[in-house]
Amino acid sequence: NAGVTQTPKFRVLKTGQSMTLLCAQDMNHEYMYWYRQDPGMGLRLIHYSVGEGTTAKGEVPDGYNVSRLKKQNFLLGLESAAPSQTSVYFCASSYLGASYEQYFGPGTRLTVT
Amino acid sequence: QQPVQSPQAVILREGEDAVINCSSSKALYSVHWYRQKHGEAPVFLMILLKGGEQKGHDKISASFNEKKQQSSLYLTASQLSYSGTYFCGIGTGTASKLTFGTGTRLQVTL
Repeated sequence: NAGVTQTPKFRVLKTGQSMTLLCAQDMNHEYMYWYRQDPGMGLRLIHYSVGEGTTAKGEVPDGYNVSRLKKQNFLLGLESAAPSQTSVYFCASSYLGASYEQYFGPGTRLTVT
Repeated sequence: QQPVQSPQAVILREGEDAVINCSSSKALYSVHWYRQKHGEAPVFLMILLKGGEQKGHDKISASFNEKKQQSSLYLTASQLSYSGTYFCGIGTGTASKLTFGTGTRLQVTL
């Protein structure tokens, strides 16, 4: 099992450009999450999904959109990148909600110039 | 609102003990603990569910005080491999998601 994978690992964008980050899990987990991690801020939840076809906002959703068309994939989109979105992005999945451990992907380091 | 972790940073000599605290302003449903090494993803350590239980494996254990809305992580006889940043994540309300603290950086030296 690959667990949770993220594509790409690194990306540099210019302000105003768009991109999509892909997260895939092969553990048949229902719940998936996107976090951003900035120095001194810990992990902050951007959006999450409790099942295929569902999405919900987290703590810091502005400027991001997500889709969960297939159970194993969770996509994070930036429509018009801003320097404030420079961060490390982690995807995670869990079997069912906050009673179960979260498995994290290796992260995507995004720089917006 | 993010849970508050204390201390923010701690330096230990190998073999010493440490306690990391996680306090919430909201009623807790669950508490997760993760460790993250520099440049890597967070790795799961343990979950505590409401009921005041204590868990542990190896020399790392944790307690969950539902009444005080806090959890503590205990590291005994620390090893060099314990170095990293420790995060607590709390589940409240709907129990669908976690809110993470800002982390405690722990460094173990010889």
